[in-house]
Amino acid sequence: EAGVAQSPRYKIIEKRQSVAFWCNPISGHATLYWYQQILGQGPKLLIQFQNNGVVDDSQLPKDRFSAERLKGVDSTLKIQPAKLEDSAVYLCASSLEPGRETQYFGPGTRLLVL
Amino acid sequence: GQQVMQIPQYQHVQEGEDFTTYCNSSTTLSNIQWYKQRPGGHPVFLIQLVKSGEVKKQKRLTFQFGEAKKNSSLHITATQTTDVGTYFCAGPYSGAGSYQLTFGKGTKLSVIP
Repeated sequence: EAGVAQSPRYKIIEKRQSVAFWCNPISGHATLYWYQQILGQGPKLLIQFQNNGVVDDSQLPKDRFSAERLKGVDSTLKIQPAKLEDSAVYLCASSLEPGRETQYFGPGTRLLVL
Repeated sequence: GQQVMQIPQYQHVQEGEDFTTYCNSSTTLSNIQWYKQRPGGHPVFLIQLVKSGEVKKQKRLTFQFGEAKKNSSLHITATQTTDVGTYFCAGPYSGAGSYQLTFGKGTKLSVIP
């Protein structure tokens, strides 16, 4: 079974630039999550999708972050404009059902904002 | 909102020594999950505990879920260098019509050979 795929793996940008991350969840997983993991901390949920609908985006900084999952499979997360404090690893995860079930994480995108 | 606290934040042990990390929730949990993240890697699911007082073992790893379902522990017997990484506990809480996992800050384990 293929795992969660993410790209790019690394990205370096300057502040105020924009960046986009892509995620392909495990086939058949209806729930997709985007997490932000700052160095030394646990993953923090940014947004959760159930199929192509947003379930929870309460912790997403909506003035600069946006995410979509148009066809209920792949998802993109965008930051525009980026700030220094956005430097982190952005993890995508998927699960069969929301919350209670095991989440499978992708390798993450390591973002450095200069 | 729900908080999940883990202690200690860091633990350095000599290879062969035991290691324990503790997780506490501010609210009762329906289940608790444990993940391991190797340096430079991503979180990988280890186990899920559901029942009050549940104990599960995976080789040298022993996981416990408290009677009140508000705390949990992970114990590693005779650590090896392959155990190096950060161990996270995570609990689901209800929010915005669904369930989300809240992760603790993790315990970073270093094993000195």
